[in-house]
Amino acid sequence: DIQMTQSPSSLSALVGDRVTITCRASQSLTSYLNWYQQKAGQAPKLLIYAATRLQSGVPSRFSGSEYGTDFTLTISSLQAEDFATYYCQQTYSTPHTFGQGTKLENK
Amino acid sequence: EEKLVDSGGGLVRPGGSLRLSCVGSGFTFSSYTMNWVRQVPGKGLEWISYISSGSRNIYYADSVKGRFTISRDNAKDSLYLQMNNLSAEDTAVYYCARVTGWTNWIDLWGQGTLVTVSS
Repeated sequence: DIQMTQSPSSLSALVGDRVTITCRASQSLTSYLNWYQQKAGQAPKLLIYAATRLQSGVPSRFSGSEYGTDFTLTISSLQAEDFATYYCQQTYSTPHTFGQGTKLENK
Repeated sequence: EEKLVDSGGGLVRPGGSLRLSCVGSGFTFSSYTMNWVRQVPGKGLEWISYISSGSRNIYYADSVKGRFTISRDNAKDSLYLQMNNLSAEDTAVYYCARVTGWTNWIDLWGQGTLVTVSS
């Protein structure tokens, strides 16, 4: 099975900060990597698919990058509504494992 | 509006069974691969099962293989998860989820249904 190591597990930041979350895969995913945002009491929401593609309706301050087996989600200028938990998910092979999650909190 | 509505959760004794349902609306349900994903309260997301649009391809996480069965009825726009031999470790919110695209991203989620396994 492909292991996904997501870091950090938690992050404190201020509105306006640039924030980066990383997922490292145990093998190549050839862009089969997606990012989700989940707010308390809600279902997850797709932000980025295929490593770098922005889902329709998602603000452009969110972006994704791929560097071999390392993937990053960047929020260029954090907004108040972005405090949430973020997950990566690999869909290259089953089981389609999620990262452990990153809880983004207001400093 | 495209929507998935999960149902069927509840309290069940260890060793018991439960069947979850998910109904899709506002889109052509039969054209989409579907997943079940679960989340222990306060913990992370766990992918547990996948079924292709015509039910030809089915996959499970090791944690549920042999105990859970995913199925669908495209005539009823419905997805199911039959869960047998439940244990406390299966206590979670269960989400049905629509899969799309060449990299199988999840673009639509149900609201989730809580399954509690307890004596």
